[in-house]
Amino acid sequence: DVKVTQSSRYLVKRTGEKVFLECVQDMDHENMFWYRQDPGLGLRLIYFSYDVKMKEKGDIPEGYSVSREKKERFSLILESASTNQTSMYLCASSLSGSGEGSYNEQFFGPGTRLTVL
Amino acid sequence: AQSVTQLDSQVPVFEEAPVELRCNYSSSVSVYLFWYVQYPNQGLQLLLKYLSGSTLVKGINGFEAEFNKSQTSFHLRKPSVHISDTAEYFCAVSEIEYGNKLVFGAGTILRVKS
Repeated sequence: DVKVTQSSRYLVKRTGEKVFLECVQDMDHENMFWYRQDPGLGLRLIYFSYDVKMKEKGDIPEGYSVSREKKERFSLILESASTNQTSMYLCASSLSGSGEGSYNEQFFGPGTRLTVL
Repeated sequence: AQSVTQLDSQVPVFEEAPVELRCNYSSSVSVYLFWYVQYPNQGLQLLLKYLSGSTLVKGINGFEAEFNKSQTSFHLRKPSVHISDTAEYFCAVSEIEYGNKLVFGAGTILRVKS
């Protein structure tokens, strides 16, 4: 079974702190994703990575950065946490496509609920 | 750009009754369509997907969905729900050219009552 793990289920931080959310997958997937989930808004893509050291902005990258130094690990960084970043953060991974029109299922981690006070 | 509208934020239903969760999408290009389920305190799990072929798609746990291109809809149905189906359900779309990038709807909370 594919397993995507996230370093914390619950996290409480203070405004201005630097926050690291870690995600690890064990299936040698090329693609990894960070989403933010808010009630009434669904999931919104923050960043994704299609290879080591490669990243692309998603729909809401402002206030976030990412790091992918190893294939299995994808980190989301909040350089200076703010209260409006209180949310549920979900990581996902998938194989890369084999060409235009290809599809590979995204597998999700359990999420990290971040509260910024 | 694509967008997804889930028409109901919450759907209460009694156990063993049928249910339909509605999803409409907007896109100028051909798309793949998905339904994901999120049980309390868990991540998302793929329920079913439409990539091509038959417009009626069957998924896990007795759910099915029908792709209607003319109405740009992908409604999720189950003929008889169980208490264990209580969860949040997300409809998602991706452009065929970018099969790995998903756009999600806002979610529908299904509450099954005994």
